[in-house]
Amino acid sequence: DTGVSQNPRHKITKRGQNVTFRCDPISEHNRLYWYRQTLGQGPEFLTYFQNEAQLEKSRLLSDRFSAERPKGSFSTLEIQRTEQGDSAMYLCASSNAGLTYNSPLHFGNGTRLTVT
Amino acid sequence: KQEVTQIPAALSVPEGENLVLNCSFTDSAIYNLQWFRQDPGKGLTSLLLIQSSQREQTSGRLNASLDKSSGRSTLYIAASQPGDSATYLCAGLSYTDKLIFGTGTRLQVFP
Repeated sequence: DTGVSQNPRHKITKRGQNVTFRCDPISEHNRLYWYRQTLGQGPEFLTYFQNEAQLEKSRLLSDRFSAERPKGSFSTLEIQRTEQGDSAMYLCASSNAGLTYNSPLHFGNGTRLTVT
Repeated sequence: KQEVTQIPAALSVPEGENLVLNCSFTDSAIYNLQWFRQDPGKGLTSLLLIQSSQREQTSGRLNASLDKSSGRSTLYIAASQPGDSATYLCAGLSYTDKLIFGTGTRLQVFP
């Protein structure tokens, strides 16, 4: 597999439940990004990692959100006590730091979250 | 704070037309400008990347230009086809290594 893989593709959950998404980046990529996209809008930056280090978190990422990349490979994004406003497409992207300026980010197909 | 605007928000054209999508950004401090395509319910596919030192990039029927001084980029699609129907997003890579996206242009090309 040469692309970015995200699971699950769809998640429907009830308000108040916790959810976790997984992203497997392209294997040689050391940089991993999470974005959120709502209908009719462009993706909004949430956070990114270089290897296992989380370098930046957006103010959009409330205390209910946590992301990890424990071994510098796959990453998980957890949302605790979900709210209806969390309903969105969650996109993961990866790149090679050092080549980022010269090569594009590669995106997965996203996880669509619906909170009822 | 970087803001990226795309005009028009939506565009519907007959097959065969040449068209131009516009992107403007408020902060010229970008490493590169990228154009993506997004099909409904899918992720983003990279189309073209223009480094800040470049003026344009071409791939097949697509040509993207960048004018950092005016904060503008355009994506030119030649001889449009129904398969080009999608949302087109531009994004600037900031000096803090984040891609800042516009809201996109929804393109429909009808036969």
